[in-house]
Amino acid sequence: GAVVSQHPSWVICKSGTSVKIECRSLDFQATTMFWYRQFPKQSLMLMATSNEGSKATYEQGVEKDKFLINHASLTLSTLTVTSAHPEDSSFYICSASGTGGTGDEKLFFGSGTQLSVL
Amino acid sequence: LAKTTQPISMDSYEGQEVNITCSHNNIATNDYITWYQQFPSQGPRFIIQGYKTKVTNEVASLFIPADRKSSTLSLPRVSLSDTAVYYCLVGEEYGNKLVFGAGTILRVKS
Repeated sequence: GAVVSQHPSWVICKSGTSVKIECRSLDFQATTMFWYRQFPKQSLMLMATSNEGSKATYEQGVEKDKFLINHASLTLSTLTVTSAHPEDSSFYICSASGTGGTGDEKLFFGSGTQLSVL
Repeated sequence: LAKTTQPISMDSYEGQEVNITCSHNNIATNDYITWYQQFPSQGPRFIIQGYKTKVTNEVASLFIPADRKSSTLSLPRVSLSDTAVYYCLVGEEYGNKLVFGAGTILRVKS
């Protein structure tokens, strides 16, 4: 079945540094990928929609200069948290839209990245 | 995007059938209904998807009435490992963003 690989699973960084998170569709082509963030005991919040070869579309309230998204190929999208601060600490999840899953599944999620900013 | 409403939490015991209902009064003609399961510190996992009437797979059933303004996820004979958050989402099939609601915390007790 279709698999989305997200890396790293967890990362700890110092305040002011930048962190890159990768999201790969391993066995299918994903023209559209989505990035979410999730705070403890809360639901997933959509940050942006990433389309291959074009600029990402950010949700209201999400700073595009802080959360840089690049979708350079049909199998890879990256999220870079620039100049990270403790309030950026969160669980980041990507998903990819495509075919190849079992049955009706069309949207495939990565396993998430726990970011902790010290 | 259609908004969804689910109960905040539900408690059940091992071996029981659990039904979680989701309201989506503003569902559009092209929208499908999809349910996901999420364990702590993991990405959501697909459970089932449907458009109308009833859909069944190896893990769950999904009941959708004719007006499609609600749907019910049915989990037969739950076990402790089914303790998780369950999300009901409404949207078109391909390439369209899905907005997560608050979800339902299901706690299965022994």
